[in-house]
Formats: sequence, C-alpha cells, structure tokens
Amino acid sequence: QVQLQESGPGLVKPSGTLSLTCAVSGGSISNNNWCSWVRQPPGKGLEWIGEINYSGSTNYNPSFKSRVTISVDKSKNQFSLKVNSVTAADTAVYYCAKGVEAWGQGTLVTVSS
Amino acid sequence: DIQMTQSPSTLSASVGDRVTITCRASQSINSWLAWYQQKPGKAPKLLIYKASSLESGVPSRFSGSGSGTEFTLTISSLQPEDFATYYCQQYNYLWTFGQGTKVEIK
Repeated sequence: QVQLQESGPGLVKPSGTLSLTCAVSGGSISNNNWCSWVRQPPGKGLEWIGEINYSGSTNYNPSFKSRVTISVDKSKNQFSLKVNSVTAADTAVYYCAKGVEAWGQGTLVTVSS
Repeated sequence: DIQMTQSPSTLSASVGDRVTITCRASQSINSWLAWYQQKPGKAPKLLIYKASSLESGVPSRFSGSGSGTEFTLTISSLQPEDFATYYCQQYNYLWTFGQGTKVEIK
C-alpha cells in the first residue's frame, strides 16, 4: 500500500519561497500514476496546484501562473513543490497525492512575518 | 478549464436518511470523477473513483453514478460517522474539485 508523507517548513515569510517534499513509500514513484499537490486554505475547499509524472513532465493550475515548480527525484522516490513570492493567501494545508487514491496526511504552511 | 459545480453546499439530515449529492461538470469528463469524504483536520478519503467504482474498504452504503457531465453520490442510510464534508473531483483533464457539501446533523 502506497503511503505519502509531506515535509518542510511550517512557517514562511511573505515574499519568500515555500518548499515542500513528498516522500513515497510502499511503491515506486515511477509507476503510471501522476503525482499531485493540492492545498486547502483554513476553512475553505480543495485547490489543485499541479502534477508531475515519473519522467518529469508537469502540468500546473493556471491560477498559479509561473509561481509554482514541481520536480521529481526518482533516486529518493520523492517529489517536491516550490511556490515563489508567497503571501498570506498561500497559508494552507498542503497535500501531496499519487493518483486519486493515495494522499499524504497534509502539512500546514503559514505565511507570516 | 473544467468547472465542477456541486450541490447542495450544506445538507441537514438524520441518521438513517438517504442522502444524495450532485456534481455537474462544465464539459464532458466521461467517467473520470472521484468522490471524497473529509473530516476536520484529516486528509480527504477516497470513496468512489471512475464515477461508480467503490474504493476498497468503503462501506457499500456509498454509491456513485453518472457519466458525461452529471454525477451523484448517494449514501443509502446515513450513519453517525458519515457526518463530514464531501467533494467531487474531475480528473479527465488535470484536476478540479467541487466546492464541497457539508453533511450536518438535523
């Protein structure tokens, strides 16, 4: 059974860069499923950020424009998210997912000085 | 972009009630639709994938139907542990989520 675990700083300063990593265990990141990032601001709904496959092809939510970068490290069986120029509006619980069936537990990232 | 419109936004029901939540896509997504249950402080839990396939371990009182642009999630007999927020999600092209339906105790 595939398990995912997000990690990274819980506090980021405004205008800084949010960086998170998702470690995949119990299965290879190189199977057919795309790996995604989803976020949920406090008290709000789910928002898809973007996805990457094992070969490094990416798709992003246009609403993030060019602020987001998703990358994969097959040697470590993990993938990562970077969001540039963050503001308080980027405060959210960030989830990683592999396909639709496997999700991490989520990690809260607060943007504040 | 594919938009997902979910209704109602809030639903008040009693234990034992039959509950139906609707999700409408702005264009055809074939059957590439998932339903999730989310409880406070927890990650979304997959209930249904490919519109009508029940995820392993999910009680059979949950069912999904539909294709194209109209989909429904039905809970045949609401149980105390089912009070939660439910989201639909299309994965035909990228991902889009519905706004969510909070199922409350009546």
